[in-house]
Amino acid sequence: QVQLQESGPGLVKPSQILSLTCTVSGASIGSGSYYWSWVRQPAGKGLEWIGHIYTSGGTTYNPSLQSRVALSIDTSKNEISLRLHSVTAADAAVYYCARDVLRRGHDYWGQGTLVSVSS
Amino acid sequence: DIQMTQSPSSVSASVGDRVTITCRASQDISRWLAWYQQKPGKAPKLLISAAFSLQSGVPSRFSGRGSGTEFTLTISSLQPEDFATYFCQQADSFPQTFGGGTRVEI
Repeated sequence: QVQLQESGPGLVKPSQILSLTCTVSGASIGSGSYYWSWVRQPAGKGLEWIGHIYTSGGTTYNPSLQSRVALSIDTSKNEISLRLHSVTAADAAVYYCARDVLRRGHDYWGQGTLVSVSS
Repeated sequence: DIQMTQSPSSVSASVGDRVTITCRASQDISRWLAWYQQKPGKAPKLLISAAFSLQSGVPSRFSGRGSGTEFTLTISSLQPEDFATYFCQQADSFPQTFGGGTRVEI
């Protein structure tokens, strides 16, 4: 059974960097033909796809965030990481990592981690 | 970006009711549409991929139809555990985009 677990600070100051890690168990992210996505959801609102990363390290980002976001992958640790620069209150949300089967959606999700932005 | 519009935004229903949710795409996405169920405080759960393919373990009362720009998710006989919010997501082109959600409530 594939399991994903997000981790990182729950509070980030405005203009600082939001850094999150997603640890995958039950599958090796270094093998298989899967992408690994980050999706966020502000409180009481809908879902926003941030971007995804492939085993090779290739990335695709949402243009709305592209200038501030970077995804990375560490196959030795079975981890995917998200860095979002220059955060504002608008970046406060629950952040999820998920396995992206491309045209067939996201089939496994982490439980999500709440990130607040405040000084 | 492809805009995904769900309707209704909320629906009140009773156990045993048939419920249909519609998702419209702002351009042709062929059959590359996924449906998710989300309960409060939980991650979304993939129900249907590629417009009509039921995920393993999802009850057969859930079904998906459509292609192009119009899609539906139908729950044939609503069960207590189905009260949740449902989202559609287009998987045809980047950026992937989601509908605004439909809340199914009692």
